[in-house]
Amino acid sequence: EPEVTQTPSHQVTQMGQEVILRCVPISNHLYFYWYRQILGQKVEFLVSFYNNEISEKSEIFDDQFSVERPDGSNFTLKIRSTKLEDSAMYFCASTVSTDTQYFGPGTRLTVL
Amino acid sequence: AQTVTQSQPEMSVQEAETVTLSCTYDTSESDYYLFWYKQPPSRQMILVIRQEAYKQQNATENRFSVNFQKAAKSFSLKISDSQLGDAAMYFCAYRHYGGSQGNLIFGKGTKLSVKP
Repeated sequence: EPEVTQTPSHQVTQMGQEVILRCVPISNHLYFYWYRQILGQKVEFLVSFYNNEISEKSEIFDDQFSVERPDGSNFTLKIRSTKLEDSAMYFCASTVSTDTQYFGPGTRLTVL
Repeated sequence: AQTVTQSQPEMSVQEAETVTLSCTYDTSESDYYLFWYKQPPSRQMILVIRQEAYKQQNATENRFSVNFQKAAKSFSLKISDSQLGDAAMYFCAYRHYGGSQGNLIFGKGTKLSVKP
């Protein structure tokens, strides 16, 4: 069964460094999302992406964040200059239409 | 803005018994989707069940069923014949129907423990 994959599973970085989180959505899906979950808290929406552009973003998704679909399979989230409070689990999700979203296993980002 | 509330931070159930997790939501929309996701210790988000608001019939997936009360804006999850593998965080989520507003709005979750 097709699934969303994410790499790396765990990323450790120093404050101020740039990180790129990678996702490979399910191949026939058209809508892509990034969410984050700070430890012990609820899952929060960051950004949605459709037709090679951002369709919606939350107030969390500030100028430090960017997303890209560099080729036909990858979907990336870049954080330009990481802060301690960026430490969280980052989930990628995709859907073929506008209903059920399927999540990847997540990338745990630790900022030191 | 839509909100999702899960009023039970933690629940416990005996193996083979039935447990119900509560969820309420607030929206002015008439068409939307509701979901329950399971998050085991691995932290992967796994879809348990979904409900379209325009459907009156409650969704069922094997041992999992929902009680959807649209007028009351209530969406509870019933787990029958609980198993040890059901132990996890359970998140209720809302999604606007159609359009570009596809993001999920999650509740804070309910941690379910299953006792052998």
